[in-house]
Amino acid sequence: EPEVTQTPSHQVTQMGQEVILRCVPISNHLYFYWYRQILGQKVEFLVSFYNNEISEKSEIFDDQFSVERPDGSNFTLKIRSTKLEDSAMYFCASSESPGANYGYTFGSGTRLTVV
Amino acid sequence: SQQGEEDPQALSIQEGENATMNCSYKTSINNLQWYRQNSGRGLVHLILIRSNEREKHSGRLRVTLDTSKKSSSLLITASRAADTASYFCATVPHNFNKFYFGSGTKLNVKP
Repeated sequence: EPEVTQTPSHQVTQMGQEVILRCVPISNHLYFYWYRQILGQKVEFLVSFYNNEISEKSEIFDDQFSVERPDGSNFTLKIRSTKLEDSAMYFCASSESPGANYGYTFGSGTRLTVV
Repeated sequence: SQQGEEDPQALSIQEGENATMNCSYKTSINNLQWYRQNSGRGLVHLILIRSNEREKHSGRLRVTLDTSKKSSSLLITASRAADTASYFCATVPHNFNKFYFGSGTKLNVKP
């Protein structure tokens, strides 16, 4: 069964450093998403991406965050200058349609720890 | 807020029993999905029910949707210890581009 692949599975970074989280969505999917889950809290929407641009973003997704599809297969989330409160599990998801008829396929997540 | 809210927050049952989890939401939706998450792991899609559907089955899972009450339930029949996980409902609003997760129900199935 096709999978969404996320790398790395766990990343530890110093506060203030830049991190790039990588995702390889399912090849025929057109819609891409990033969500995050702070330990013990709800899964929260960050951003959706379609046709090489951001479709929607949440208030969490401020100027420190950016997304990119650099080569037609990878979908990346960059945090420019990490803060302690960015520590969370980050999930990438993709879907063939914008949700009307299909479920979203999530990756297994990247656990980001900012120290 | 659109966010779904599950209840109960935690549920502990014996293997073989049925487990029922409920989800309520606030605004109109395109569809509602249930996901499972094992501790510290990713989200696994279980089942999707559209706003024009009332009930759906998949193996030991049964999902109902009542749009008039803005609620859904997930029933796991004949539970197994391996069903131990957190279960989340996620609502998809009509603008399609995102969905909202509830806080989840933590299910513990005792062998």
